[in-house]
Amino acid sequence: QSVLTQPPSASGTPGQRVSISCSGSSSNIGKNTVNWYQQLPGTAPKLLIYSNNQRPSGVPDRFSGSKSGTSASLAISGLQSEDEADYYCAAWDDSLNGVVFGGGTKLTVL
Amino acid sequence: QLQLQESGPGLVRPSETLSLTCTVSGGSISTSNYYWGWIRQPPGKGLEWIGTFYYNGNTYYNPSLKSRITISVDTSKNQFSLKLNSVTAADTAVYYCARDGAFPGRLGYWGQGTLVTVSS
Repeated sequence: QSVLTQPPSASGTPGQRVSISCSGSSSNIGKNTVNWYQQLPGTAPKLLIYSNNQRPSGVPDRFSGSKSGTSASLAISGLQSEDEADYYCAAWDDSLNGVVFGGGTKLTVL
Repeated sequence: QLQLQESGPGLVRPSETLSLTCTVSGGSISTSNYYWGWIRQPPGKGLEWIGTFYYNGNTYYNPSLKSRITISVDTSKNQFSLKLNSVTAADTAVYYCARDGAFPGRLGYWGQGTLVTVSS
């Protein structure tokens, strides 16, 4: 059971906008910033969004992040087939004194 | 370009110690402003944070693994290591090393990962 809660799956058609939620608590998302990772099949995870809504260099602006209270969201607009991957949220947890991950959301592009 | 590479045995016997090394190139572990850490992923499952350290000695461990893990660093070789003792089949996973941010959680650079299987 992951500390951060994500839906196990999400889907959309090319060109659509999809959103993935990440729910936490006052000790993690409520107090600290959220980071998002994209893991393409058979590869290492890649940092997609950091500090709630910042994109590392090279990440398309189709990807955006937001945070409100103890929840966060990742939005992907203009969905493309190459976006099919697993997505994970993560944050520092002050109670556990460590990094906690969501269980991951498998995004399927129909 | 910063690169990280995990190395170590791919098979470990139950009850023994898993030992992995992460070799960093293109940057120094001793550089301030970055944490470095280990993450694992059991086959077909999600990511699990193992632990992270700062070059000055600050170390944080996953509470569920804390009693069994040690993360150490060899700055002369620009390497850091993970030891996980008393392993069981539940420790079978792909193990990744990564460079974290100025505060743990922003894992910007990852190694390719190495599969460690615990089996007799």
